[in-house]
Amino acid sequence: TQLLEQSPQFLSIQEGENLTVYCNSSSVFSSLQWYRQEPGEGPVLLVTVVTGGEVKKLKRLTFQFGDARKDSSLHITAAQTGDTGLYLCAGVTGNQFYFGTGTSLTVIP
Amino acid sequence: KAGVTQTPRYLIKTRGQQVTLSCSPISGHRSVSWYQQTPGQGLQFLFEYFSETQRNKGNFPGRFSGRQFSNSRSEMNVSTLELGDSALYLCASSLGRTAANEQFFGPGTRLTVL
Repeated sequence: TQLLEQSPQFLSIQEGENLTVYCNSSSVFSSLQWYRQEPGEGPVLLVTVVTGGEVKKLKRLTFQFGDARKDSSLHITAAQTGDTGLYLCAGVTGNQFYFGTGTSLTVIP
Repeated sequence: KAGVTQTPRYLIKTRGQQVTLSCSPISGHRSVSWYQQTPGQGLQFLFEYFSETQRNKGNFPGRFSGRQFSNSRSEMNVSTLELGDSALYLCASSLGRTAANEQFFGPGTRLTVL
């Protein structure tokens, strides 16, 4: 059962453009994480959001946790080629992680 | 500090065989979790081990099993392999129980079942 749906599934943009990736669920999570995975490597944690409505900024990346703790978004400003990768959201409930379907981002120079 | 290591990196097996994958966590980490990643199903949780005990299990058949040793190293075993078991198997380690601590992933073992 896939609890977390991400959209879009694929995204190809020019360097310098902005983009938003969405992570939606009908389930409530105690926290939500975003990861980036590059080919041949495991996912790397970008951020953890815990409080409903929380917004975290990491340089050009802005993460938001929905008020009801069921959804999240990742916004990238002025994308760079180094942002290319698979972005995964993961919701934590109980002691278990549920990963989203993933968004494959390609930034074209 | 060395990261999470997984061996082997690539593996080819045939249907009906069994396979054992190994994971060495970051030094000092006591929790190891295993995940299966496929294009169709994404990243799915298999199980979590903490202090040599399985603490959590995902929705996978009994053919998938694992264990953790006293040095926190972990192995995962899949018996009677099926074509659908072809996937990237990822191991992640964390200081304590996974849900409350950051988990660090290894590069994965790519298993192909023919």
